[in-house]
Amino acid sequence: DADVTQTPRNRITKTGKRIMLECSQTKGHDRMYWYRQDPGLGLRLIYYSFDVKDINKGEISDGYSVSRQAQAKFSLSLESAIPNQTALYFCATSDVPRDNEQFFGPGTRLTVL
Amino acid sequence: AQKITQTQPGMFVQEKEAVTLDCTYDTSDQSYGLFWYKQPSSGEMIFLIYQGSYDEQNATEGRYSLNFQKARKSANLVISASQLGDSAMYFCAMREGPGYSTLTFGKGTMLLVSP
Repeated sequence: DADVTQTPRNRITKTGKRIMLECSQTKGHDRMYWYRQDPGLGLRLIYYSFDVKDINKGEISDGYSVSRQAQAKFSLSLESAIPNQTALYFCATSDVPRDNEQFFGPGTRLTVL
Repeated sequence: AQKITQTQPGMFVQEKEAVTLDCTYDTSDQSYGLFWYKQPSSGEMIFLIYQGSYDEQNATEGRYSLNFQKARKSANLVISASQLGDSAMYFCAMREGPGYSTLTFGKGTMLLVSP
């Protein structure tokens, strides 16, 4: 079984809809991250969490919110989706102190029409 | 200014040859880490190699090595004996500071390996 899972894997939604992307991990890591990938732009950090009570904005947090429900769960919400939020979204985890690798989920491909 | 610069949008190499993917970085921190990830067409992000700023030797992992030139702020990935399965997008990334773990990614280089 995969260590970092994301649901859904693909989603098509309409402008203005609220959508939640979910991430679960079985690695026991405290640190979790949400990135988005756009063609030609690499990955950019949206939000990150170093433990259940810690939430931090990343480079491109506008239009997004997150919830860390448990050590193993980190959800990303788009309160009112817009077409330029169409992207590939990745969840990742890392361990402390062995912080030399982030483990990525398989990604969620989101299309906002 | 970009923190991670990958100047090669695309690279071509023949099978069994070596290839170097360029990465330069910008940081004022003394403690930082440099990473390379591979993204095949299936989309997943695969960790390849890590180099810490205080590591005296270049990192190696199988056919992957990282040519770390600190003074030039470059961290090039060298893939020896390319294989068809190496065709993918490659991302360089940096973690700054001793207590941080967020990564800043470059825009990537698409590598195509031909028979």
